[in-house]
Amino acid sequence: EAQVTQNPRYLITVTGKKLTVTCSQNMNHEYMSWYRQDPGLGLRQIYYSMNVEVTDKGDVPEGYKVSRKEKRNFPLILESPSPNQTSLYFCASSFQGYFQETQYFGPGTRLLVL
Amino acid sequence: AQSVTQPDIHITVSEGASLELRCNYSYGATPYLFWYVQSPGQGLQLLLKYFSGDTLVQGIKGFEAEFKRSQSSFNLRKPSVHWSDAAEYFCAVASQNDMRFGAGTRLTVKP
Repeated sequence: EAQVTQNPRYLITVTGKKLTVTCSQNMNHEYMSWYRQDPGLGLRQIYYSMNVEVTDKGDVPEGYKVSRKEKRNFPLILESPSPNQTSLYFCASSFQGYFQETQYFGPGTRLLVL
Repeated sequence: AQSVTQPDIHITVSEGASLELRCNYSYGATPYLFWYVQSPGQGLQLLLKYFSGDTLVQGIKGFEAEFKRSQSSFNLRKPSVHWSDAAEYFCAVASQNDMRFGAGTRLTVKP
């Protein structure tokens, strides 16, 4: 089954404790992206990757890191989480990243930073 | 910069009633327009998209949307809502370099 998976689905952590949210897709997509969803703000893009070893900032990259060492994986790293990073995070992928393409979303990771 | 506005934060309709969710965009050229649905606890799923051609677009689950250039709108419609349509709906606009989502409209369906 074609899908985007994220782990963990739920995470509670404390300020400053490094964490990684994994994202994996099995569709051989070149383009992957991370979004955060906050009430009243919709989805905002954090980082995206057009292909292996190619990443770029989205609208709200501060406090986040990403890497793309393999085509299927695109982990999101919070080196020193802060309470304002409490949010719902979505990973998405599409074939080549052209904006007319459909994006496929993971189920989301709900993060609470205390 | 392009932007998307969904004027209605929350809409409640009765099961079997018709539905229209509003979406207005701001963009200089003809944009790529999308509607996504997010069911509780799920990721976003594409309902339909518009790039060019016929301004009335059919999507999955019985939804349709109409692109009106003069009004900069791309409203989503369904003639008869089912209880399973309760979800959050996002309009999005994309160009070659950017994609923007609206803040979303939460749909509640009354029995």
